Amino acid sequence: AQSVTQLDSHVSVSEGTPVLLRCNYSSSYSPSLFWYVQHPNKGLQLLLKYTSAATLVKGINGFEAEFKKSETSFHLTKPSAHMSDAAEYFCVVSPYSSASKIIFGSGTRLSIRP
Amino acid sequence: DTAVSQTPKYLVTQMGNDKSIKCEQNLGHDTMYWYKQDSKKFLKIMFSYNNKELIINETVPNRFSPKSPDKAHLNLHINSLELGDSAVYFCASSARTSTDTQYFGPGTRLTVL
Repeated sequence: AQSVTQLDSHVSVSEGTPVLLRCNYSSSYSPSLFWYVQHPNKGLQLLLKYTSAATLVKGINGFEAEFKKSETSFHLTKPSAHMSDAAEYFCVVSPYSSASKIIFGSGTRLSIRP
Repeated sequence: DTAVSQTPKYLVTQMGNDKSIKCEQNLGHDTMYWYKQDSKKFLKIMFSYNNKELIINETVPNRFSPKSPDKAHLNLHINSLELGDSAVYFCASSARTSTDTQYFGPGTRLTVL
C-alpha cells in the first residue's frame, strides 16, 4: 500500500524568506515522487519529480526537493519566496508500475506576506 | 497551442441529468486520466486509460464512465447526476505511465443543483 502525507495544510511566509513544504510518503515499491503547483482557478503544473536518480532534485522557479529514503520524506524548499509563489502545492507518489494508482497529498496552501 | 484542453469550462445542471465533459490532448501521449477535485482541494484519480488498459478507481460510482474515441481524446460521461458530484474535474495525460510527468487541463467546474 502507498500513501502520501502533507504535514501542513497552510504555510505563510514573508516575501524573500525561505519556503519549506513538508511531504512524507509510504510505498511498497520504489516510487516516483512529484510536486505539482496549482495557481487559483488553474490546472496543475509540474514543479519537479524524483525518479531514483539524484536525491536532490531541482525544479522550475527556484524550487528543489530532497528525497530522503531513511526518513521517507520529499520536502519542497525554495531559498527566497516570491509573491507569485502563492498557490496550492501537491506532493504526489506513484509506484514504478504501468498499472499503478497515483496518489495525491491533501495539498499545502502557500501564502506570501509582502 | 493548448496541450490538454477540456470543454466546457463550467457546467451547471440539475440533479438526475446526464452530462459529458470532453478532453483532448495534442501531445501524442499514450495515457490519459480523469481526476476529481473536491471543495477542499483534495484530488482523487478516477480513471487512467491507455490504448491497452482501463484502470478504474474502485471508489468511483458506475454512473461515471470514460469514453475514448481515439488516443487523443478521453471524455467523461456522467449519468444521473447527484449533488455530491459537484466538483472540479481535471483531465490529464502522460507519455506512457503514471510515473511520467502528467500534463493537466484547465479543469471543468461542475455544479449540480
